[in-house]
Amino acid sequence: DAGITQSPRHKVTETGTPVTLRCHQTENHRYMYWYRQDPGHGLRLIHYSYGVKDTDKGEVSDGYSVSRSKTEDFLLTLESATSSQTSVYFCAISEPSNQPQHFGDGTRLSIL
Amino acid sequence: GQQVMQIPQYQHVQEGEDFTTYCNSSTTLSNIQWYKQRPGGHPVFLIQLVKSGEVKKQKRLTFQFGEAKKNSSLHITATQTTDVGTYFCAGRYSGAGSYQLTFGKGTKLSVIP
Repeated sequence: DAGITQSPRHKVTETGTPVTLRCHQTENHRYMYWYRQDPGHGLRLIHYSYGVKDTDKGEVSDGYSVSRSKTEDFLLTLESATSSQTSVYFCAISEPSNQPQHFGDGTRLSIL
Repeated sequence: GQQVMQIPQYQHVQEGEDFTTYCNSSTTLSNIQWYKQRPGGHPVFLIQLVKSGEVKKQKRLTFQFGEAKKNSSLHITATQTTDVGTYFCAGRYSGAGSYQLTFGKGTKLSVIP
């Protein structure tokens, strides 16, 4: 499997608190993606990055922000978590963008 | 936005029966990828189709891309319990947003031994 590490793997937090999820890769891939996976919705793109400091919005970006200060790290932040953001979050990488995406093991986030 | 529709949502088969899942887009795709996700796991890439009418095989799995590049299918012959999981198609469109994949909602396959 590609060298992708997501942290934390599980998190339970309360509504209104800030949450940051981290995706770390050792493959030196330029493209990184954050998805959320919910029953009945499949995988939906939140944000993606095409280089250091280069990011763009995906299909479901409201309530989320991202940062990429280094090639290897892509952070997803929920500024003020809501119960609707309870989900499984996957990070993925690819190089170049039209090649297969390799996924991390996911973060299960519960917001009470 | 652009959508990739995938059917069926669920499929229960007896071991040894065949299985097919279908994906359809209203607009032309530049390519389509297929992924498999085992229960509790992460999506794993299976294959990418690029050419109109392309057919690729991986052992018991056959992947097809339609002539108009708007639809695709995955067929599994003689299912085994190891085939259990959710199969996703993911389409890529040309132009703005070409960095992105648009995933279908997946077909969850259960195999009864």
